[in-house]
Amino acid sequence: SQTIHQWPATLVQPVGSPLSLECTVEGTSNPNLYWYRQAAGRGLQLLFYSVGIGQISSEVPQNLSASRPQDRQFILSSKKLLLSDSGFYLCAWSDNRREQYFGPGTRLTVT
Amino acid sequence: EDQVTQSPEALRLQEGESSSLNCSYTVSGLRGLFWYRQDPGKGPEFLFTLYSAGEEKEKERLKATLTKKESFLHITAPKPEDSATYLCAVQAQGGSEKLVFGKGTKLTVNP
Repeated sequence: SQTIHQWPATLVQPVGSPLSLECTVEGTSNPNLYWYRQAAGRGLQLLFYSVGIGQISSEVPQNLSASRPQDRQFILSSKKLLLSDSGFYLCAWSDNRREQYFGPGTRLTVT
Repeated sequence: EDQVTQSPEALRLQEGESSSLNCSYTVSGLRGLFWYRQDPGKGPEFLFTLYSAGEEKEKERLKATLTKKESFLHITAPKPEDSATYLCAVQAQGGSEKLVFGKGTKLTVNP
């Protein structure tokens, strides 16, 4: 069966510091991968998605970036965090471009 | 622009008291409508996909239905363990991977 991992689970970072969140999927090949952010009182917002290694599409212009160095690895990064980057970051995968399966999430607090 | 509105924002039920959650959507050609359950501090858990008006799907005490403008999640004889936030999302036709989510309905079932 397929499993999806995210780490770290929680993170507290000062404004202006860099960020790296990692997501890996097991039990499937060539999945579509997604990064979402869930802010308090708002719905899940798609940030990036990838249909293959090195292929990244951005949905929202911001100071975040994503990379896919391996087939089942998806990384979310920032060079300098803003207070507004705080939120719950979720990675998801799909193998048929329909339903998406989510990881456990990373709670990011920027102070 | 694709939009999803969920109502009510919060719902309190007594154990055994059946009710329905609503998801109204506006989309330029529906590819699929998705229901998820999210427990506090965790990633959303996939429940159902509905593809066309008139379709229904069931899982234990949950039943999802779809019309051309909205979807309902019916909860029959709920138990306290059904307490969670239920999220609705739509995916539009046209090749985009994007799921557009509503803000969710927070369900509390009291024993």
